[in-house]
Amino acid sequence: EDKVVQSPLSLVVHEGDTVTLNCSYEVTNFRSLLWYKQEKKAPTFLFMLTSSGIEKKSGRLSSILDKKELSSILNITATQTGDSAIYLCAVEPGANSKLTFGKGITLSVRP
Amino acid sequence: ETGVTQSPTHLIKTRGQQVTLRCSSQSGHNTVSWYQQALGQGPQFIFQYYREEENGRGNFPPRFSGLQFPNYSSELNVNALELDDSALYLCASSWGGTSGNTIYFGEGSWLTVV
Repeated sequence: EDKVVQSPLSLVVHEGDTVTLNCSYEVTNFRSLLWYKQEKKAPTFLFMLTSSGIEKKSGRLSSILDKKELSSILNITATQTGDSAIYLCAVEPGANSKLTFGKGITLSVRP
Repeated sequence: ETGVTQSPTHLIKTRGQQVTLRCSSQSGHNTVSWYQQALGQGPQFIFQYYREEENGRGNFPPRFSGLQFPNYSSELNVNALELDDSALYLCASSWGGTSGNTIYFGEGSWLTVV
């Protein structure tokens, strides 16, 4: 059975801090690892990492896939209150869009 | 806006009742997946429909059932509701065979069972 574990489950930081969110996985026939941001309802896509694309960056957010350790990190630099959300990590086994999610990490950024 | 619409957005049901949730997929998408997200948990895969056929199911009992229509919209039906069915139900549409960054989620339906 595919499994995704995220840590920590929650954290509180102050604006301007840098945070690192962790995700480890066990999956048969790995195709991709996805990061989403969820602010109450629909998860919003952030990054997709694959065996051929192990680093992604967009503004203050960046993510790395460690294929050997079966893990990924999501970094957020210079955090803002608008970064407060649940961050979800998911893995996709094969090209079938059936995702296995972790429990999510609740990030609170205080002014 | 993802183009995936779900209805209703919120509903309250009594234990033992039945509920139907609806999802209109993104234009051009032929695959719909349903997820259940309980409070404090990540979304859990319920099942997927591809071209009107069930194409995989997660660890959910048979009282969770679904349909996909010729226009690729979909329904999730839950019979004999239990208190633990209270959750956000997310619909995700995609085009079969594409990778994860082209999966689009709807805003979800909040179900409360009392």
